[in-house]
Amino acid sequence: QKEVEQNSGPLSVPEGAIASLNCTYSDRGSQSFFWYRQYSGKSPELIMFIYSNGDKEDGRFTAQLNKASQYVSLLIRDSQPSDSATYLCAVWGKLQFGAGTQVVVTP
Amino acid sequence: GAVVSQHPSWVICKSGTSVKIECRSLDFQATTMFWYRQFPKQSLMLMATSNEGSKATYEQGVEKDKFLINHASLTLSTLTVTSAHPEDSSFYICSASPGTSGVKNIQYFGAGTRLSVL
Repeated sequence: QKEVEQNSGPLSVPEGAIASLNCTYSDRGSQSFFWYRQYSGKSPELIMFIYSNGDKEDGRFTAQLNKASQYVSLLIRDSQPSDSATYLCAVWGKLQFGAGTQVVVTP
Repeated sequence: GAVVSQHPSWVICKSGTSVKIECRSLDFQATTMFWYRQFPKQSLMLMATSNEGSKATYEQGVEKDKFLINHASLTLSTLTVTSAHPEDSSFYICSASPGTSGVKNIQYFGAGTRLSVL
């Protein structure tokens, strides 16, 4: 079992809709959770980080953390074609990256 | 936001030669730097973690004698691929983190180096 798991996708989302990405982790001691976006051929860029249970919103992005259930999710509202990328979940307690979920936003 | 500069962005070399890649944190001191490798359509693979002034910690399966890492200062880490071979061709990405707890856990990534070994 991988320590950080994500659905590989692709997740196809119509333009303007909400994209929902999930990430589960196995280390209960994990303290910090991050979402990165990676365009093809480029390096990852930080979208959001979250440390406490609940929701954290930043523009069109909302991160949700539930430590009891050991999952963290990312919602992308009003999805745009420019959001098409691979989204990586990262967990720090012991550094781990998920394999990423590919999101494709269709016009 | 914090900026991490990685150089060169791409390099082509002959088999058997060595290649050095630099990673610099431009506006913060990086307590920890990380080196990743990524093959096409695959996920990031952590190669090693380095702390300033100490030896790097390599992940299982990564040859420390082949991938030499030096973290000489709080703003600079280098990765040297020694005696490169075609199978070493990959996308190498560094990241830097200001600290090890709380908000300082954030990793900021360099733009990556695409290595092609002929």
